[in-house]
Amino acid sequence: SQQGEEDPQALSIQEGENATMNCSYKTSINNLQWYRQNSGRGLVHLILIRSNEREKHSGRLRVTLDTSKKSSSLLITASRAADTASYFCATDKNDYKLSFGAGTTVTVRA
Amino acid sequence: NAGVTQTPKFQVLKTGQSMTLQCAQDMNHEYMSWYRQDPGMGLRLIHYSVGAGITDQGEVPNGYNVSRSTTEDFPLRLLSAAPSQTSVYFCASRPGAGGAGEKLFFGSGTQLSVL
Repeated sequence: SQQGEEDPQALSIQEGENATMNCSYKTSINNLQWYRQNSGRGLVHLILIRSNEREKHSGRLRVTLDTSKKSSSLLITASRAADTASYFCATDKNDYKLSFGAGTTVTVRA
Repeated sequence: NAGVTQTPKFQVLKTGQSMTLQCAQDMNHEYMSWYRQDPGMGLRLIHYSVGAGITDQGEVPNGYNVSRSTTEDFPLRLLSAAPSQTSVYFCASRPGAGGAGEKLFFGSGTQLSVL
């Protein structure tokens, strides 16, 4: 069964606004990763946060991890049209089976 | 480097036919895997390999076979295609077989329709 679940399923924002999406998971993890998928393409890795980290930044991306609540959030600041994509969280339990959620579809309106 | 290359990009099969989806990587990655992506269900792991000659099952292995005779190639075989196998298939690899802490590199996918 899938480990991670993203919320919301879909998100529509105006260019320049921030987008926040959440990921909840069920069992202890080693790390959590976020990926982006543009329509019809393969997934691209965005950022990885380890279980002993609470927050991580990469450019306009900010990821938080709360292991006590088994949840993570991805914030995209100052969104652009190019950020329109689906975003997936993936949990890694160090068992060779990276488990993906169903994703959040983000639409950035010009 | 080409990265992870999947062929074909599109395929239509009739129920009962067999076929092989090809995946090759030129990054000398030990770990390779196959996922299927269905609407509303995210990606589900079919099979994975931690090195040449070593394969194991993922979450949804039924109806699929894999082999890993070389580090570079990890083909996925559909033995007798069924409409339930209509999906988009992704191959992904990562450098080490050690597991945690490494990102996956994905191919561009194969869209398969089984009629």
